[in-house]
Amino acid sequence: EVQLVESGGGLIQPGGSLRLSCAASGFTVSSNDMSWVRQAPGKGLEWVSVFYSGGSTYYADSVKGRFTLSRDNSKNTLFLQMNSLRAEDTAVYSCANLKGRAFDVWGQGTMVTVSS
Amino acid sequence: QTVVTQEPSFSVSPGGTVTLTCGLSSGSVSSSYYPSWYQQTPGQPPRTLIYSTNTRSSGVPDRFSGSILGNKAALTITGAQADDESDYYCVLYVGTGIWVFGGGTKLTVL
Repeated sequence: EVQLVESGGGLIQPGGSLRLSCAASGFTVSSNDMSWVRQAPGKGLEWVSVFYSGGSTYYADSVKGRFTLSRDNSKNTLFLQMNSLRAEDTAVYSCANLKGRAFDVWGQGTMVTVSS
Repeated sequence: QTVVTQEPSFSVSPGGTVTLTCGLSSGSVSSSYYPSWYQQTPGQPPRTLIYSTNTRSSGVPDRFSGSILGNKAALTITGAQADDESDYYCVLYVGTGIWVFGGGTKLTVL
């Protein structure tokens, strides 16, 4: 069974950093295109970033220059390094694998709260 | 900046049919945007319903169908049931590793 489990969220002050993890089981992260999507409290879904299996990465304008994707193939895990966090980054962050150009299996998400 | 539009809310009677749409603030939606649709209930992650315009995801009942209607992508629910009451999101692949979600439609079944 394909499963994604996010972790690493928490309460962080504005300007701080967090690293989110997305651990996969049932498939190989490095062989799949993977993405992060976030949802602010009471708001809609927002695409954040994509890590293509070939190694290319892309980011939404709202996080470009502050967020960085990486992966650890030995741990079958995708990471999202988030720097210079702002209040507007407060959201549940979910990872998903891509099937073609669509999000397929989703994790439960991890909550990030940016507040002083 | 690409803005994807959806109806903020919609209502359907049990057993009825409803069509939700997904458009662009500027231009037309076509299959080349690979529209996909997701259902979300409170506190749960999204569930993938439709991808590549009209392909149902595994396990999704055939009451859900996707299409292009005019200049928009569309999700049609036939024979609506009480547990279809959810938020529905579309997303468009706008190119070069970039996706844009619509604001979501809150569907009420009553």
